[in-house]
Amino acid sequence: DIQMTQSPTSLSASVGDRVNITCRASQTIYTSLNWYQQKSGRAPKALIYAASNLLSGVPSRFSGSGSGTDFTLTIVSLQPEDFATYYCQQSFSTPYTFGQGTKLEIK
Amino acid sequence: QVQLQESGPGMVKPAETLSLTCTVSGTSISNYYWNWIRQSPGKGLEWIGYINYSGTTNDNPSLKSRVAISVDTSKNQFSLKLRSVTAADTAVYYCARALARYTQPFDHWGQGALVTVSS
Repeated sequence: DIQMTQSPTSLSASVGDRVNITCRASQTIYTSLNWYQQKSGRAPKALIYAASNLLSGVPSRFSGSGSGTDFTLTIVSLQPEDFATYYCQQSFSTPYTFGQGTKLEIK
Repeated sequence: QVQLQESGPGMVKPAETLSLTCTVSGTSISNYYWNWIRQSPGKGLEWIGYINYSGTTNDNPSLKSRVAISVDTSKNQFSLKLRSVTAADTAVYYCARALARYTQPFDHWGQGALVTVSS
């Protein structure tokens, strides 16, 4: 199985800040990397697919980059509704696997 | 719009079979890949398996062949059966769609169904 490791595990930031969340795969997954946002008690919501493509309706303050084994989710100008847990997921091969999550909290 | 809704018992006894159904609306189940994913505090998000438009299934080897996924195109539903459950199978179970086998994300999810394994 491909292991996905996110860092940091938790992050404190303020409204208006820029944050980066990183995700590392245990082997190359090219650009088969997706990012999700999950709020408490809700299902995950897909934000970015294929490393850098925003899904329809996702604000442009979210962006993704990377290829191979190292990926980054960037959120610029944090909004109150962005405080949530973020997960990466590889869709290169089955079994599909997720990172352990990064909890973004208000400072 | 595309919507998915899980249904099934909220409690299952150890050693019995967990059964859930996902009802899909707003799109035909005869396309795409239909997945089951679970989330427990101890193991985070775990992909269970999928069934595709032609009935092909694929499941996570970590579940040791306890999984069966089936589809009922007449009802636009797909189902999960997980045999021989233990307390470790207690989780929120989600159904989700992916547009293709690889590269694509899970772009629509159900709201989740909490299943507790307990005697």
